[in-house]
Order: sequence, then C-alpha cells, then structure tokens
Amino acid sequence: QSALTQPRSVSGSPGQSVTISCTGTSSDVGGYNYVSWYQQHPGKAPKLMIYDVSKRPSGVPDRFSGSKSGNTASLTISGLQAEDEADYYCCSYAGSYTPHWVFGGGTKLTVL
Amino acid sequence: EVQLVESGGGLVQPGGSLRLSCAASGFTFSSYWMSWVRQAPGKGLEWVANIKQDGSEKYYVDSVKGRFTISRDNAKNSLYLQMNSLRAEDTAVYYCARVILSLSFDYWGQGTLVTVSS
Repeated sequence: QSALTQPRSVSGSPGQSVTISCTGTSSDVGGYNYVSWYQQHPGKAPKLMIYDVSKRPSGVPDRFSGSKSGNTASLTISGLQAEDEADYYCCSYAGSYTPHWVFGGGTKLTVL
Repeated sequence: EVQLVESGGGLVQPGGSLRLSCAASGFTFSSYWMSWVRQAPGKGLEWVANIKQDGSEKYYVDSVKGRFTISRDNAKNSLYLQMNSLRAEDTAVYYCARVILSLSFDYWGQGTLVTVSS
C-alpha cells in the first residue's frame, strides 16, 4: 500500500496552465480507471475535483481536467486563478485482493 | 444539503483508546459505503477504513488492522471508528467521507483531531 508519487510543488502565473502528475503502478493507477483528485485549502476539508480519471463533479470549473496514461495520471488546471492556490492530492482505487485506496503525497500549487 | 460532522477526537496517551463518530445528514446514509481518511499534521491524506452499506464488509489499511474497528448505525445515520492501542503515529485529523459509485470520496466532514501523546 505505497503512496502514489506527486511533485512536492508546482507554480504558475494567473492565466497560465499547470499540470500535476501522479505516478503509481499497474496495481493502482494503471489497473483501474478510478483515479480521483482533491483540492485542499489550509485548514479545510478536501474537495473532490476529478473522479473516474477525467470526470468533473457538478460545480467544478471546466478549467480543471484529468487524464491518464499507463501508470501516471495528470491533473491540468488552465486559466490559473488566485483561488486555485491549494494542495492537490491524487487518489486511486487499488483493489487487488481486498478493496483499498492509496493517495499521493500531495502537491502544493502556488499562483505567482 | 449533505453534511458530515465528526466528533470524539482529543488527547489520549499511547496505548489508549478513543471512539470517533460521524453524524450524517442530507442523504440516504444507508445507501452508501462510508470511509475514514486521516491526515497527520503537515502531511498528506491516508485512507484508513471503509464499510459497506449494511456493515457486512469492512476494509482497513494495514497499519491499523487489528487495532481499529469501523462500524455504522444506519438507524442513527452515524459512522464510527473505534481506535484501540493508539500510537504516536496515529496522531492526525480524521475525516469521514462518503464513497460514491466511482470509488471516490465526494463529501467530507470538517475532521476531528486525534493526538496521541504522553
């Protein structure tokens, strides 16, 4: 049950695009299309931003998009806004023999 | 409006026990898998446990197996986490979260802090 690998930090200027990667294995990210992404502002609960690799819940701006290739998933935020500055976590279902989930270590997004 | 409200956190000595509760409202609680996810201070998220709608299936991260027990009372719309033999590394904010069909967590509570220290 090892954590997924994310970059510790990324940054971008308002209006730019950034991509956050999330690398796992064939037992989690590569094995299932159940990758989700969460946004967390300081002191707040996580918020679901992307599920099933690329789907957005109602209310999440279409500036947020997700994709996957092999064992690596990605979250892209286009048209960066100041309020996007937060921590972002990827998560993958990793069923194998018993259902369980693994999260990435988190990425701090700084809007310059 | 979906609401999840955790309670029961606090300071406990190593080896001690604590029971967390999560009160759910705004949705049909008995229709959803539910989870506990924790976050150590300054660290990332870690899935802890899941429980099926009727409580018949329960799953845990390896580090808490045999020490933590997840349970639910659908009549009271409540989720629980009984934590025994607590260790310093269990110190974290514990969130309850709803699991949706896509196997992601769509609603989270505000969290309750558990501190294990002598």
